[in-house]
Amino acid sequence: EAGVVQSPRYKIIEKKQPVAFWCNPISGHNTLYWYLQNLGQGPELLIRYENEEAVDDSQLPKDRFSAERLKGVDSTLKIQPAELGDSAVYLCASSEQGRSYEQYFGPGTRLTVT
Amino acid sequence: SQQGEEDPQALSIQEGENATMNCSYKTSINNLQWYRQNSGRGLVHLILIRSNEREKHSGRLRVTLDTSKKSSSLLITASRAADTASYFCATDGDDKIIFGKGTRLHILP
Repeated sequence: EAGVVQSPRYKIIEKKQPVAFWCNPISGHNTLYWYLQNLGQGPELLIRYENEEAVDDSQLPKDRFSAERLKGVDSTLKIQPAELGDSAVYLCASSEQGRSYEQYFGPGTRLTVT
Repeated sequence: SQQGEEDPQALSIQEGENATMNCSYKTSINNLQWYRQNSGRGLVHLILIRSNEREKHSGRLRVTLDTSKKSSSLLITASRAADTASYFCATDGDDKIIFGKGTRLHILP
């Protein structure tokens, strides 16, 4: 069974540029999560989807971050414009249904903003 | 606010010894999960323990949950070099899942 797929694995951009991350969850997993992880810290939830509905986006900085999960399968997270402080690893995870199930994480996208 | 807080922040032990790390939280939870993260990799789920459970085992892993003290512990027995990683607890409560900052475990040869 294929795991959670994320691309790109690494991205270097200049500040004020846009950037997008893509995630394909495990087949059949209805719940999808986007996390931000800074060095030496635990993951911080940005947004959680149940199918195509964003059910928890309270930690998403909506002035510059946006996300979508069309058709309730793969998802895209976008930052526009990027700031220096956005440099981090962006993790995608999925679970069967609801947040009370174990999450399967992708390898992450390491973003460096210069 | 940070829900789960792991203790210690870092731990170094000899291979073969047992490793214990703790997680404390502040509000009521539905369940608590432990994850492992090897350097530069994604997180891997280890164990989920529900609020009505007190102890769970999986191979060399033993997790306990004390809801009266709002704490959990993860015990890794007979540690191996491959156990070197960061370990995170994640609490599911108040309609949110929150990860702690993690314990960095280093197994010495």
